[in-house]
Amino acid sequence: QAVLTQPASLSASPGASASLTCTLRSGINVGTYRIYWYQQKPGSPPQYLLRYKSDSDKQQGSGVPSRFSGSKDASANAGILLISGLQSEDEADYYCMIWHNSASVFGTGTKVTVL
Amino acid sequence: QVQLQQSGPGLVKPSQTLSLTCAISGDSVSSNSAAWNWIRQSPSRGLEWLGRTYYRSTWYNDYAVSVKSRITVNPDTSKNQFSLQLNSVTPEDTAVYYCVRETDYFDYWGQGTLVTVSS
Repeated sequence: QAVLTQPASLSASPGASASLTCTLRSGINVGTYRIYWYQQKPGSPPQYLLRYKSDSDKQQGSGVPSRFSGSKDASANAGILLISGLQSEDEADYYCMIWHNSASVFGTGTKVTVL
Repeated sequence: QVQLQQSGPGLVKPSQTLSLTCAISGDSVSSNSAAWNWIRQSPSRGLEWLGRTYYRSTWYNDYAVSVKSRITVNPDTSKNQFSLQLNSVTPEDTAVYYCVRETDYFDYWGQGTLVTVSS
């Protein structure tokens, strides 16, 4: 079982909201971790969007629009990236990441398609 | 502006050693506030962090469990660069390899090097 599991794909219409989940493996408590989110477009390396641990411990990447935001669902043991007001330029792959035992671990990635 | 320039062969034979170098401009490999990472990406394995080196009064390394027995990441202070060595490669090691600076997050990435493991 992967440490971080993400849905393989998500489709939504322009202007809609998209909620991307990053589920932590059983036994790894989401409350303990900063969840980092990266966006990757074809032919380019991933780019940092934001990190979220709590409302008092969060950071938005430089130049990242406020329509990208982070949160957690403790009951689902998951981190969430919310994209509000989807735009065509948001079509990309999205990866979550945590630091676990001094090692970086990436999620399996979600491909977002804007219909 | 930080720039990371990768160099190294794009083709490596099975059982041999993969070697890549990342030259740093705009920062120092000896920085007390940065770490220098290698990350790879392939369709089969996705994004995979491999390891890092960093200086905090002395040098430290962290490695992924999956490659710990085969990997070395070394700084070269004389040339302001760092390197990746991955031993005993197999076709499963075929991937795009990135060198990456880490401060609060992974902020600067090299251009990526496609390394194919094939005879």
